[in-house]
Amino acid sequence: EVQLVESGGGLVQPGGSLRLSCVASGFTFSNYGMNWVRQAPGKGLEWVSYISSSSSTIYYADSVKGRFTISRDDAKNSLYLQMNSLRDEDTAVFYCARVSREWSDDYWGQGTLVTVSS
Amino acid sequence: EIVLTQSPGTLSLSPGERATLSCRASQSVRSGSFAWYQQKPGQAPTLLISGASSRATGIPDRFSGSGSGTDFTLTISRLEPEDFAVYYCQQYQTSRTFGQGTKVEIK
Repeated sequence: EVQLVESGGGLVQPGGSLRLSCVASGFTFSNYGMNWVRQAPGKGLEWVSYISSSSSTIYYADSVKGRFTISRDDAKNSLYLQMNSLRDEDTAVFYCARVSREWSDDYWGQGTLVTVSS
Repeated sequence: EIVLTQSPGTLSLSPGERATLSCRASQSVRSGSFAWYQQKPGQAPTLLISGASSRATGIPDRFSGSGSGTDFTLTISRLEPEDFAVYYCQQYQTSRTFGQGTKVEIK
C-alpha cells in the first residue's frame, strides 16, 4: 500500500524558517518524481514545487521561488521542503504527492499545517 | 500560466441525480495532461481521472471524464452519499495549475 506521511509543520513567525518532510512507503520511491502542493485555509489547491526521480529536474512556483528548496534522500525514502523567509500568505496545509507515470498526482499524504503568524 | 476556471462554484443535487462539472482552460490543453480530483472535508485530495478520461485505480464507473482543448467535463452519473465533496480540475501540460473547485452539496 502506497503511503506518504508528512511532518514538520507548525507555528512560525514571519521571516522564519521551517523544514517539511515526507516519508514514503509501499513503492520504490527512487523511481518517482514528487510534488509539494499547498492549500490555504478554506482555499483551493496550489502547486508549490516538483523534483524528478533523479533530482536532476526541479521546478518552483513563482510565489516561492528563491525562498523554498525541494530535495530528496532516496536512501531514506524521504522528500523535503526547506522553507525560508516565510510570509503570512504561506499559511497552508502542505501535501506531498507522488507523480504518476502519466504525470498526474496519484497518491497524496494527509498534509501538515504550516501557520505563519506573529 | 494556464488558468483553469470551474463552473458552477456550487452544485446542489440530491442522491441519485446526475452531476455535470465543467472546467475551462485559458489555452488549449492536451487531453493526456488533464486530471480531476475529489477532496472531502479534512482529507487530502484523491485522484479520480487522469488523461482527461481514464479512471484512477479503484474509482467507480459512475465517474467519467471527457473533453479536449479548452473544455473538460466530469460527470457523476448517479450521486452516492459519499460523492458530496469538492472537485478540482488540474492541468499538467505546462507546470501545474488547479481550478478553484466545484462543491457538490446535498440539496
